[in-house]
Amino acid sequence: EPEVTQTPSHQVTQMGQEVILRCVPISNHLYFYWYRQILGQKVEFLVSFYNNEISEKSEIFDDQFSVERPDGSNFTLKIRSTKLEDSAMYFCASSEGQGRGNEKLFFGSGTQLSVL
Amino acid sequence: GDSVTQMEGPVTLSEEAFLTINCTYTATGYPSLFWYVQYPGEGLQLLLKATKADDKGSNKGFEATYRKETTSFHLEKGSVQVSDSAVYFCALSVYGGSQGNLIFGKGTKLSVKP
Repeated sequence: EPEVTQTPSHQVTQMGQEVILRCVPISNHLYFYWYRQILGQKVEFLVSFYNNEISEKSEIFDDQFSVERPDGSNFTLKIRSTKLEDSAMYFCASSEGQGRGNEKLFFGSGTQLSVL
Repeated sequence: GDSVTQMEGPVTLSEEAFLTINCTYTATGYPSLFWYVQYPGEGLQLLLKATKADDKGSNKGFEATYRKETTSFHLEKGSVQVSDSAVYFCALSVYGGSQGNLIFGKGTKLSVKP
């Protein structure tokens, strides 16, 4: 089965540094997403992306965050100036359609971000 | 707001035991309900889903029934295997709601011992 791949699997950074998390969605998918899970808490929606623009974002996705599809295959999440509370597992996902109730999302295995 | 509450883990069972993982939800619209599973070192995978009341989702021996009257979507399996050891997430998506905006529970870790 096709899969979403994320790199790196672990990322350690210093507070205040910029990080870029990378994802390669499934090739024929059109909708892309980022979620995150802080240790011990719920998986939270961050942002959805379609047709080279953000479709929706949550309150978590503030000005420190940005997403980009720099080429035909990659989908990136950038955190400009990391904070300790950004430490979490970040999941990328993609779907062929809009991801409403009947659509299947495919998730990557996640990038564990540790901010020191 | 919309939310999902699932039972706290970890849950430890012996092989062939019966599994129930409770999940209840709060939603203002007409949610679709999902169970996702995350095996060690892998991404979240859709295990099963139900899109309307009284629907039963099933896959790999797991079942869950969409109960509108109790706002629940409990996951069950009659006989678990060691290979079922994973983290299970209950989630909802409100019909007509945002694209791929799944609302997840915290996850329940299941460990099955031989």
